[in-house]
Amino acid sequence: QSALTQPRSVSGSPGQSVTISCTGTSSDVGAYSFVSWYQQHPGKAPKFIIYDVSERPSGVPDRFSGSKSGNTASLTISGLQAEDEADYYCCSYAGTYTWLFGGGTTVTVL
Amino acid sequence: QVQLVESGGGVVQPGTSLRLSCAASGVPFSRYGMHWVRQAPGKGLEWVAVIWYDGSDQNYANPVKGRFTISRDNSKNTLYLQMNSLRVEDTAVYYCATDGGSYYGVYVFEKWGQGTLVTVSS
Repeated sequence: QSALTQPRSVSGSPGQSVTISCTGTSSDVGAYSFVSWYQQHPGKAPKFIIYDVSERPSGVPDRFSGSKSGNTASLTISGLQAEDEADYYCCSYAGTYTWLFGGGTTVTVL
Repeated sequence: QVQLVESGGGVVQPGTSLRLSCAASGVPFSRYGMHWVRQAPGKGLEWVAVIWYDGSDQNYANPVKGRFTISRDNSKNTLYLQMNSLRVEDTAVYYCATDGGSYYGVYVFEKWGQGTLVTVSS
């Protein structure tokens, strides 16, 4: 099983929106509605910010949103803020109790 | 205050063994499935292993299958990862993480520890 495909980096100015794609296959992203997203600041543990494709856990700002179409999931950060500068990872359930992560995307706030 | 604290990391030679521990507090440990996720230096996250909330079943990523064993002791609120036949490519920070339990579901990694570094080098 190969890692899910994410862009290496995206950037935006404060207040703008950025979207991170996460491409898998019909055996993982396309097969299940169990895509989650994680934010990781340098030297810190990951923090989950989206689950079940588009659900936000309590305490996560509503400027973070998720979606999915076919084999590609997406994370959109609206109203970009300085503290959103971090690495972001998608993850999909891949069946038979296995999980696949994406390679990670670095978000830079210009 | 939920806390997951990993320990047991260190520098070891290829072919040797190491056991990691993850001590949980502030969370009903026996209600959560538990995972190990690793991150090689400067690289992305990689799922390693899962164990059911009651320890009744486990599963592993292909790169570690047959070499690593995940286990838990719910009476001690502790998760383990026995790593045998270690390879240079196993070098990584190893995180333990809970699943989402009954609130967020079993397919998400909800709570994370701070990780423990395992370096495999000759």
